Amino acid sequence: DTAVSQTPKYLVTQMGNDKSIKCEQNLGHDTMYWYKQDSKKFLKIMFSYNNKELIINETVPNRFSPKSPDKAHLNLHINSLELGDSAVYFCASSQGSNSNQPQHFGDGTRLSIL
Amino acid sequence: GESVGLHLPTLSVQEGDNSIINCAYSNSASDYFIWYKQESGKGPQFIIDIRSNMDKRQGQRVTVLLNKTVKHLSLQIAATQPGDSAVYFCAENPPGGYQKVTFGTGTKLQVIP
Repeated sequence: DTAVSQTPKYLVTQMGNDKSIKCEQNLGHDTMYWYKQDSKKFLKIMFSYNNKELIINETVPNRFSPKSPDKAHLNLHINSLELGDSAVYFCASSQGSNSNQPQHFGDGTRLSIL
Repeated sequence: GESVGLHLPTLSVQEGDNSIINCAYSNSASDYFIWYKQESGKGPQFIIDIRSNMDKRQGQRVTVLLNKTVKHLSLQIAATQPGDSAVYFCAENPPGGYQKVTFGTGTKLQVIP
């Protein structure tokens, strides 16, 4: 069974559209994250939730809105998609938000804006 | 497959040789460090971690060295195999919790059979 699973794996859409990416983890972790990886492979944290509560919110346009219905799920909704949003988006999870534990990543959602 | 950025440092090693991947971290207060391996089309995968109260930690075929004086981290892979080909990231976690991990720029390891 996949520990952290994201859907869809690929997302191709027009500029201006609204889209969502879903993430689920079956590791029983308390904390989940969204990262953006650009074409140079640079990974940057966007958001983090601990037990459904937002704890990290980096400088991300407010077109990006995360939602955590429960601690096993963290979805990402993006409004009015722009060309610069093209990237690979990774979901991750870890045990605890205040302890040093490695993060477990999904295999990414490759978003391409036409 | 995914395109690789022109600015991604690349290390090429012969199969069977040892590999050393280096990383400079930015925050002298960071107290937890992790190495991740990212294969093409996959997410980063945990390899090994080290806390700031240690300077060396060994795993299976991998060793991480931490030099806090110069804010340097290295990953040594013994007897490199073709399956080790990937992009390797170091990551640092500053104190204060909330896992606001900062990733390094990544190094691509190419293993020559």
